Amino acid sequence: EAGVTQFPSHSVIEKGQTVTLRCDPISGHDNLYWYRRVMGKEIKFLLHFVKESKQDESGMPNNRFLAERTGGTYSTLKVQPAELEDSGVYFCASSQPGTDTQYFGPGTRLTVL
Amino acid sequence: RKEVEQDPGPFNVPEGATVAFNCTYSNSASQSFFWYRQDCRKEPKLLMSVYSSGNEDGRFTAQLNRASQYISLLIRDSKLSDSATYLCVAQKTYKLSFGAGTTVTVRA
Repeated sequence: EAGVTQFPSHSVIEKGQTVTLRCDPISGHDNLYWYRRVMGKEIKFLLHFVKESKQDESGMPNNRFLAERTGGTYSTLKVQPAELEDSGVYFCASSQPGTDTQYFGPGTRLTVL
Repeated sequence: RKEVEQDPGPFNVPEGATVAFNCTYSNSASQSFFWYRQDCRKEPKLLMSVYSSGNEDGRFTAQLNRASQYISLLIRDSKLSDSATYLCVAQKTYKLSFGAGTTVTVRA
């Protein structure tokens, strides 16, 4: 069974540009999560989807970040405009309904110059 | 205050040794607890869940003390392949709170 996949694996952009990250969860997993690890800090929760609905976006840093999950399958996370402090590794995770275990994707390493 | 605090290490141990480390969590409403393992530049992978009664998975033993809000992990008979960063995780509903990780290096 395929795991959680993320694209791209790396992205280098300049401050002020826009970047869109994509996550494909494990098939059948209704729950999808975005997390972020910035340099020197712990991994932090950004938001949670159940199917196409946002359940909790309390971890989103500010309104420059927009997450979508149209159709309840893959999700995108757009950063517009990117700032230097947005650099870090963005992880996506998914889980089956009613279970605690979250499976993580390989992450997208974002560098904002 | 961080939600999960861990000793960052590093713990540098010889093959075959036993190594133990722990973490504390601040939210007493946390419901579930885990140890994840993260290799360099890779994603976190679930190592094991942690229960109050203590649980074992091969060479790994985890323990939870809810009264002290303390979680531990013990690795017996360390292998070179155990070298990694171990992340302590507390969960409330669906939200995972991670510690910054404890680095373990097992040397030949």
